Amino acid sequence: EIVLTQSPGTLSLSPGERATLSCRASQSVTSNYLAWFQQKPGQAPRLLIYGASSRATGIPDRFSGRGSGTDFTLTISRLETEDFAVYYCHQYGYGRDTFGQGTRLEIK
Amino acid sequence: QVQLLQSGTEVKKPGASVKVSCKASGYTFTSYDIEWVRRATGQGPEWIGWMNPNTGRTGFAQKFQGRVTMTWNTSITTAYMELSSLRSDDTAMYYCARYHPVLRNGFDVWGQGTVVTVSS
Repeated sequence: EIVLTQSPGTLSLSPGERATLSCRASQSVTSNYLAWFQQKPGQAPRLLIYGASSRATGIPDRFSGRGSGTDFTLTISRLETEDFAVYYCHQYGYGRDTFGQGTRLEIK
Repeated sequence: QVQLLQSGTEVKKPGASVKVSCKASGYTFTSYDIEWVRRATGQGPEWIGWMNPNTGRTGFAQKFQGRVTMTWNTSITTAYMELSSLRSDDTAMYYCARYHPVLRNGFDVWGQGTVVTVSS
């Protein structure tokens, strides 16, 4: 199975700053089917990015994804208060899905 | 609007089975896979498996093979995930999500989650 390793485990930033989250795969992600989710306490996950770089419906353009193969990045250009949450990467598409352990984005 | 509504909290004893339902509305039920994911406290999400109500196909993560069953009732647009031989480490929040197998645009709609607690 493909192991997804996210870093850092916790990221402490202030509103207005730029956040860069990393997701590294143990082997190449087929067709770059890599997604990013945001999850807040007591809420279901929210899809942000799919296909490594496509924003999901209704996602603000301050969220962007890039990468291919084994290295992927989620960038939040200017943090807003509502962006502080846990973020997970997810490789999918071929019936052997796996998720990363998450990056907690907290207010500094 | 598009929605997945899951059944309520379950408390089970070790060795028992649990069946979680996921009622879909606002879209064509047979056009999307239903995926099942769980997340234990303090851990990352874990994929359980998928089902396609149009083709009848299912697929499961290896660790759940033989212990999970996925079914559905198209007439009431509801999917079910049953997990048997429960252990304490099955305690988690269980989610259903939809996935378009052709568009492949990720798990774009999620249920609200069902808490499953396994305790003697």
